[in-house]
Amino acid sequence: KQEVTQIPAALSVPEGENLVLNCSFTDSAIYNLQWFRQDPGKGLTSLLLIQSSQREQTSGRLNASLDKSSGRSTLYIAASQPGDSATYLCAADNYGQNFVFGPGTRLSVLP
Amino acid sequence: NAGVTQTPKFQVLKTGQSMTLQCAQDMNHNSMYWYRQDPGMGLRLIYYSASEGTTDKGEVPNGYNVSRLNKREFSLRLESAAPSQTSVYFCASSEGLSGTNYGYTFGSGTRLTVV
Repeated sequence: KQEVTQIPAALSVPEGENLVLNCSFTDSAIYNLQWFRQDPGKGLTSLLLIQSSQREQTSGRLNASLDKSSGRSTLYIAASQPGDSATYLCAADNYGQNFVFGPGTRLSVLP
Repeated sequence: NAGVTQTPKFQVLKTGQSMTLQCAQDMNHNSMYWYRQDPGMGLRLIYYSASEGTTDKGEVPNGYNVSRLNKREFSLRLESAAPSQTSVYFCASSEGLSGTNYGYTFGSGTRLTVV
């Protein structure tokens, strides 16, 4: 079974800083990896989906990369804003059937 | 643009009571999923349905049953609720399973408390 870990568990940064969130997975033969954002008490919002043939995806200030051989993905957030404060979850494909989620990184961006 | 709709949003049950959580999607997706989210445990898969007429167990299926009523609807039933089933339940859908280059769309969740 795929297992997913995320480092750090929590992160607090001043507004404007660039930051990197890390995700590691055990089975490198994944098809896809998806990054989500979750605000307190809310559902999950999809940020980026990296398909098997891609090495990275970009959306606005967000850039996610995927290195299947090392079992790692990173989410880069440029010029962070207080509105970016949320929990960020990565989800890795589990043998082509469903996604397994990491525990998340709780991000606080201070004004 | 409704996406994935879950009902109810909140529910309190007494131990031993039964209930059904409803999930419906309007995106013509083939695959649907039920996860539970607990503090310190993250999201764990309960059941999923690859396509209409099929269901499979996930990581934590005990105490739950599911029905894929049609392509749009996927319900989760607790036959005899236990305090350990207190959780936030999320439904998700996708055009295909995770190996088919499609990601998930999530509903807003159901907060269930069993007392």
